[in-house]
Amino acid sequence: DTAVSQTPKYLVTQMGNDKSIKCEQNLGHDTMYWYKQDSKKFLKIMFSYNNKELIINETVPNRFSPKSPDKAHLNLHINSLELGDSAVYFCASSRRAGSHTEAFFGQGTRLTVV
Amino acid sequence: GENVEQHPSTLSVQEGDSAVIKCTYSDSASNYFPWYKQELGKRPQLIIDIRSNVGEKKDQRIAVTLNKTAKHFSLHITETQPEDSAVYFCAARNAGKSTFGDGTTLTVKP
Repeated sequence: DTAVSQTPKYLVTQMGNDKSIKCEQNLGHDTMYWYKQDSKKFLKIMFSYNNKELIINETVPNRFSPKSPDKAHLNLHINSLELGDSAVYFCASSRRAGSHTEAFFGQGTRLTVV
Repeated sequence: GENVEQHPSTLSVQEGDSAVIKCTYSDSASNYFPWYKQELGKRPQLIIDIRSNVGEKKDQRIAVTLNKTAKHFSLHITETQPEDSAVYFCAARNAGKSTFGDGTTLTVKP
């Protein structure tokens, strides 16, 4: 059983396209996140949702729009993809926002924009 | 907002030696400090964590120390093995948000 699963694992697309990455967790966690890991391996938070409500929205272009239909799912939609969007995107979840609990990461989605 | 600095960015040790990675944070309200290990092509995974009311925690060959006054915390790996080679991230968590350091690439030479 995969705790946090995201699809697809790899995504190659052309500039200007719109794409979505899906994430699901079966841990019963209340909080979910999207992180971006660039080519230098820096890990930066993009968004955080707690029980379907947006609680963290870092300085991310409006082209990125997260959607949480329920607390087990957090999808990421990206409009008008740019070369600089190429990165590995990790979804993660944790038990409760503000709690002393670890984040469980999905396996990542490697997005390549050509 | 929180700022986490991590040093060194790369670390190479001989098998059996110890490795130390240091992090500093800026926000005194941060109260939870996890360490993640990321092997090549894989997801970050928690290896050890420490809460702000604890000064030191140990788990077999891995230990973490926290100095709240100085706002720094460190990861210590003893008797390193080749399988310890990975990127290690520290993080500081406050109000549901974890800020990560820039990572340390550890290479353990056999």
